[in-house]
Amino acid sequence: QSALTQPASVSASPGQSITISCTGTNSDVGGYHYVSWYQHHPGTVPKLVIYEVMNRPSGVSSRFSGSKSGNTASLTISGLQAEDEAQYYCCSYTDRGTWVFGGGTKLHVL
Amino acid sequence: EVEVVESGGGLVQPGGSLRLSCEVSGLTVSSKYMSWVRQGPEKGLEWVSVIYSGGNTHYTDSVKGRFTISRDDSKNTLFLQMKSLRVEDTAVYYCVHGIKNAFEFRGQGTLVTISS
Repeated sequence: QSALTQPASVSASPGQSITISCTGTNSDVGGYHYVSWYQHHPGTVPKLVIYEVMNRPSGVSSRFSGSKSGNTASLTISGLQAEDEAQYYCCSYTDRGTWVFGGGTKLHVL
Repeated sequence: EVEVVESGGGLVQPGGSLRLSCEVSGLTVSSKYMSWVRQGPEKGLEWVSVIYSGGNTHYTDSVKGRFTISRDDSKNTLFLQMKSLRVEDTAVYYCVHGIKNAFEFRGQGTLVTISS
């Protein structure tokens, strides 16, 4: 039951766009439309920002978008703002009825 | 408004046991899938266990046979019984509820420290 693979960190300047990848297998990311993304600022509780690959919960900025191709899901944040600096995690349902998170990606807004 | 309050964490020696509780208001635990997710020190989020509305349960491989998830529908409370605890089980444990095939974190978590 290996964690989904995410880059350890990404960096960009305010106003730019970034994409964080999340790679799994046919048994999780590739097999289901149940990929979600979470934003986690230090000292706070993780916040759901994308569910079912590409849907945004109410109240989440339209600058956040999600997609999937094969076994890799992606989170794109456009028009970067300082407040976007955080840890980001992907998560997927698996064919065993379990769930698995990615290792997390630290977003640095320069 | 959904509110979640986790409790039961603490300092335990390796090999010991703990029972975590999660009191929920604003939703019926038996109507949702409920999970425990943990975050070790300087580590990422790790999914631990789930109980589906029908009662089916699943666990991450590292806790199988040692942890048991359950719920008390009359008290709208989720539990995680943990035994044979290991140093690597040290983490903040979050009780999360299922929403739209994802999870929503509402509680602040409860800290479990395994150390001699």
